[in-house]
Amino acid sequence: GAGVSQSPSNKVTEKGKDVELRCDPISGHTALYWYRQRLGQGLEFLIYFQGNSAPDKSGLPSDRFSAERTGESVSTLTIQRTQQEDSAVYLCASSLNRGLNYGYTFGSGTRLTVV
Amino acid sequence: AQKITQTQPGMFVQEKEAVTLDCTYDTSDQSYGLFWYKQPSSGEMIFLIYQGSYDEQNATEGRYSLNFQKARKSANLVISASQLGDSAMYFCAMSLRGGATNKLIFGTGTLLAVQP
Repeated sequence: GAGVSQSPSNKVTEKGKDVELRCDPISGHTALYWYRQRLGQGLEFLIYFQGNSAPDKSGLPSDRFSAERTGESVSTLTIQRTQQEDSAVYLCASSLNRGLNYGYTFGSGTRLTVV
Repeated sequence: AQKITQTQPGMFVQEKEAVTLDCTYDTSDQSYGLFWYKQPSSGEMIFLIYQGSYDEQNATEGRYSLNFQKARKSANLVISASQLGDSAMYFCAMSLRGGATNKLIFGTGTLLAVQP
């Protein structure tokens, strides 16, 4: 597609429920990233996928968080047993190459509210 | 430790004036990249400008320029002739070469308000 697409744009869920967030990267972009942005704060790295390599999961805050990506296509970020501190905007980005200026393109994010 | 520091939580500037947003970084790597992103209230992240650590000249993109001082590890963003539409959150970020990850490390941001 023309840009990085994320769905849903907004999600309200009850504490303890599982949620699944989706990211559709730009076609041909081999790298995909998930970030979390809490209200009024900067972007916190969660996970990185590069082609068929093993993902870098070093930013996932707990084992309740997991993400999958099949090849160079769609990625899903799953949060199990959601807690109120999970409330944030979850941003996805994709990029074409692995140079230093690898032209991140961000999606519009999913705003997650846990009540 | 690799870190980006933005010490200005908020800034005001009069329309048509220039403003400098501060950014310092910490890394022991010799090869890295520095970015500035704009995030308006709509939430999207808009790429503004990029500076490579080996670039000798400061990057410029229209009204944006990056004041790169490598010895001081600073990468300040200068916006000339501010416009009302420049009001937004601005993030400085750093990319690092090496390893399996090319993630961007972000600062905490500076909220810029342009006053008429």
